[in-house]
Amino acid sequence: KAGVTQTPRYLIKTRGQQVTLSCSPISGHRSVSWYQQTPGQGLQFLFEYFSETQRNKGNFPGRFSGRQFSNSRSEMNVSTLELGDSALYLCASSSGGQANTGELFFGEGSRLTVL
Amino acid sequence: KQEVTQIPAALSVPEGENLVLNCSFTDSAIYNLQWFRQDPGKGLTSLLLIQSSQREQTSGRLNASLDKSSGRSTLYIAASQPGDSATYLCAVHQAGTALIFGKGTTLSVSS
Repeated sequence: KAGVTQTPRYLIKTRGQQVTLSCSPISGHRSVSWYQQTPGQGLQFLFEYFSETQRNKGNFPGRFSGRQFSNSRSEMNVSTLELGDSALYLCASSSGGQANTGELFFGEGSRLTVL
Repeated sequence: KQEVTQIPAALSVPEGENLVLNCSFTDSAIYNLQWFRQDPGKGLTSLLLIQSSQREQTSGRLNASLDKSSGRSTLYIAASQPGDSATYLCAVHQAGTALIFGKGTTLSVSS
């Protein structure tokens, strides 16, 4: 069974640009969560989607957005990039459910560098 | 607000040693606790998931315990190997929220 797939794995952007990251969850999983990981802040929750609806949202500015498609694949977008957005962006999938307390499985991440 | 703490932040041991990693959380109203491993520059690999009703879970050389009332979990690694070198993260799950992570313990096992 294939794991969580994130693309691209690495990307370099300049300040002011925008970026779109993609995540394909494990087959059959309906919940996709996104996290930002930086050396200083650790892992911080961005948002979670379940059945194409945003179910939960972290404390990030509106420049960070996401969506989920009918096949459960998810994308996140960051507009007007800032230097501080440089991070490893991790996607996690789970089977979901009402409270979404199932085991989470993570992808390898997308390493974003903003110059 | 739930806070998760992992102590120590870093640990170095010789190969073959048994070791314990600690995780504490401030709010005992959790659904479950999950331990992960992260290699440098990589994603997170799920190691063990303990439901709030369980006391421990085992997988191979790994054993995780949970004491919800005291807000503590431990990850026991038996007979450590150089390949165990990585950062170990614990995370708790509460109703209506995302996983809340600790900052991790970076383990180095020398041969």
